[in-house]
Amino acid sequence: KAGVTQTPRYLIKTRGQQVTLSCSPISGHRSVSWYQQTPGQGLQFLFEYFSETQRNKGNFPGRFSGRQFSNSRSEMNVSTLELGDSALYLCASSSGLISETQYFGPGTRLLVL
Amino acid sequence: AQSVTQLGSHVSVSEGALVLLRCNYSSSVPPYLFWYVQYPNQGLQLLLKYTSAATLVKGINGFEAEFKKSETSFHLTKPSAHMSDAAEYFCAVSDDAGGYQKVTFGTGTKLQVIP
Repeated sequence: KAGVTQTPRYLIKTRGQQVTLSCSPISGHRSVSWYQQTPGQGLQFLFEYFSETQRNKGNFPGRFSGRQFSNSRSEMNVSTLELGDSALYLCASSSGLISETQYFGPGTRLLVL
Repeated sequence: AQSVTQLGSHVSVSEGALVLLRCNYSSSVPPYLFWYVQYPNQGLQLLLKYTSAATLVKGINGFEAEFKKSETSFHLTKPSAHMSDAAEYFCAVSDDAGGYQKVTFGTGTKLQVIP
């Protein structure tokens, strides 16, 4: 089985711009979660989608949004980028069952200048 | 709400020494527990997983973890550290958040291996 893929791997944007990141989960997985990782704040949960519905959301401003398509692929969008949004954005997929493992993609490294 | 505590944000060990990374969780029922490893600029990779089949769980790269219900702990160990073990390690708990999976991660422990 192919693993979780994330595109692009690296991205440079300037303040005020918006960005869209993409995640393709493992085949058959219906749950996709997004995390932001920074040296200062560590790994922080953004949101989780299951069958196109957002089931869980972390404590991030409304500039951060996401969606999931019928094929389980997910996108997250960050509008009006700030310098503090520079981070590694990780996507993880699972079947959604409580006992199941979340499998992570390689991440998208976003740098906001 | 579930919480996961990893004691020690940085741990240093000598090559060949025992590795012990600590993880405690808060839960009134045995949850599902995981250890992940992250190498620089990469995603998280599953090391091992506890699902109540056995209290001692063996993972990849010689790591193992023991589930202790009385201590609500799931510490990660490796008898002999190797230079390639230098990475960041995350403990995670998966439990039921009203019928669906909710995963909570600890803050991570960076392991330094000294030659």
